[in-house]
Amino acid sequence: GAVVSQHPSRVICKSGTSVKIECRSLDFQATTMFWYRQFPKKSLMLMATSNEGSKATYEQGVEKDKFLINHASLTLSTLTVTSAHPEDSSFYICSALGTTQNEQFFGPGTRLTVL
Amino acid sequence: AQTVTQSQPEMSVQEAETVTLSCTYDTSESNYYLFWYKQPPSRQMILVIRQEAYKQQNATENRFSVNFQKAAKSFSLKISDSQLGDTAMYFCAFMNFMNYGGSQGNLIFGKGTKLSVKP
Repeated sequence: GAVVSQHPSRVICKSGTSVKIECRSLDFQATTMFWYRQFPKKSLMLMATSNEGSKATYEQGVEKDKFLINHASLTLSTLTVTSAHPEDSSFYICSALGTTQNEQFFGPGTRLTVL
Repeated sequence: AQTVTQSQPEMSVQEAETVTLSCTYDTSESNYYLFWYKQPPSRQMILVIRQEAYKQQNATENRFSVNFQKAAKSFSLKISDSQLGDTAMYFCAFMNFMNYGGSQGNLIFGKGTKLSVKP
């Protein structure tokens, strides 16, 4: 099956700093990638849809100036959490829409801890 | 708007027994996909099984099978011969059928069912 990687797997940062998370499709091209946030023991919450070469589409309530998404190539999307605060601490998961466009392939997730 | 409901927050089953996880959904669409994902403690989302709504035959993958009732909008997952490695969160998910230039393949997730397999 298709493989999606995320880097880093976990990051700890100080409040006020910015953190970049990378999502890569390793063996296929993904025109569409998705970013999710997951709180402990909760379901995945879609934050935004990232389309290669265009602006991301953010879900209601997600601050686009705080969560910057760039999808500059067919295999890479990045999520930058700007001026992170402790309430941004969470598990962030990306996925990529496969070439048949009827299945999402998930990355292993990134655990962000903001001190 | 589509919704997915998983009414069982937690379930447990004895090793080697069979367990069924329930899922219902609401949509006005006639063509769509349904999925069951497993999320073990590692947090990696793993596709367990998928069903195309236009297929009447229930999907099966080894010990995993679904009971897809389109009219009732029900999509339950049956795990046979449960194994300790099946312990995980299980999420039911819905995706609109991809038409060219249509929807972007968004997944809508249920809240999940935590399954514990006991030795």
